[in-house]
Amino acid sequence: GAVVSQHPSRVICKSGTSVKIECRSLDFQATTMFWYRQFPKQSLMLMATSNEGSKATYEQGVEKDKFLINHASLTLSTLTVTSAHPEDSSFYICSADPGRSYGYTFGSGTRLTVV
Amino acid sequence: QQPVQSPQAVILREGEDAVINCSSSKALYSVHWYRQKHGEAPVFLMILLKGGEQKGHEKISASFNEKKQQSSLYLTASQLSYSGTYFCGTERGGSTLGRLYFGRGTQLTVWP
Repeated sequence: GAVVSQHPSRVICKSGTSVKIECRSLDFQATTMFWYRQFPKQSLMLMATSNEGSKATYEQGVEKDKFLINHASLTLSTLTVTSAHPEDSSFYICSADPGRSYGYTFGSGTRLTVV
Repeated sequence: QQPVQSPQAVILREGEDAVINCSSSKALYSVHWYRQKHGEAPVFLMILLKGGEQKGHEKISASFNEKKQQSSLYLTASQLSYSGTYFCGTERGGSTLGRLYFGRGTQLTVWP
């Protein structure tokens, strides 16, 4: 149990275009999901907290207009990287909390490359 | 917000032990430990809640010293499968409850 599905796993896009990443909780409901960004051999940096039915909470320094988050249902959160540039290339990963004893479950991540 | 993890890297022979430390300058509600293999998602190992508990999971255990805001992960009789990067994630209470902030990670390599 406690599976989080993330798609796509890899995406290459042209500079200036937008990319949408989906994160789904398959066997539990998630009123809150979290989006992280990870550079090679570095830590997971929390970008934002996605709240079902309300606005996302962004961490300091994260551009709200560039990283649009929508959490329209109890099982789906999306992250849209708008007007992507090469510096947005990174590994994006979502997580959700299925319940205290399980810890947080992570999606498999999305490798974004902007060319 | 980020906790401080040490050491940055550890190299072990199979069967040896290792300790990874995680400390925070802020009061913590919980500490989570995860292991991540290259190119994969982090995998949950254990969670420790404030109250200063110690937990075990096979040959991997952890402690949480609430007074010092420190947690340690103990890997005993390491196996090849233990190789990976270990992250501690810290959760504070209040308005940030639920959010995990991760340390820089400890890269563990186990050789046969």
